[in-house]
Amino acid sequence: SQQGEEDPQALSIQEGENATMNCSYKTSINNLQWYRQNSGRGLVHLILIRSNEREKHSGRLRVTLDTSKKSSSLLITASRAADTASYFCATDADSNYQLIWGAGTKLIIKP
Amino acid sequence: EAEVAQSPRYKITEKSQAVAFWCDPISGHATLYWYRQILGQGPELLVQFQDESVVDDSQLPKDRFSAERLKGVDSTLKIQPAELGDSAMYLCASSLALHGEVQETQYFGPGTRLLVL
Repeated sequence: SQQGEEDPQALSIQEGENATMNCSYKTSINNLQWYRQNSGRGLVHLILIRSNEREKHSGRLRVTLDTSKKSSSLLITASRAADTASYFCATDADSNYQLIWGAGTKLIIKP
Repeated sequence: EAEVAQSPRYKITEKSQAVAFWCDPISGHATLYWYRQILGQGPELLVQFQDESVVDDSQLPKDRFSAERLKGVDSTLKIQPAELGDSAMYLCASSLALHGEVQETQYFGPGTRLLVL
């Protein structure tokens, strides 16, 4: 079953612009994680935000979490060509502790 | 930096043949996951091990798929016989989080891309 849903499905922006991706989920969670996947490769963990946190930063990444709306956003500032990838959110539902994945947002950075 | 190893990276096989994938998790990680990822979708959990024990295989098609982690370290996922619909990326991940605990970071290998003809 799919817990997280990313929006938009695809995003194409110019290099240097900011990219924002959203994730919505259905049930109460312990934490929410964002991962990046370059084409044909494995997933790389970007950031984990716990249910009692509202915002977290890591370099050019900013993640927010709104548990009342059951949603999260990932902001990548000053995008680079190397940021071209698919981005997935994964939620750890507090009922069964499984990590449930969304279908991802495909981000393309145009030079 | 420690990494999850997987082999082979690519596998082409004909339907009805047997295939096997291997994974070596990060040393010290008790929990190992096998995922299947169809192009354009998120990963789908097939099986989860804690040490040598299967703790979740509810999504594993047990008529054709099997997985083992005999010594609680590396793991093998097998498909026999392979079907056209099995074409996908097979990802292995490991984590320090134990079954029934809050999930922490999962570390992924590069994956095995399977094509069934």
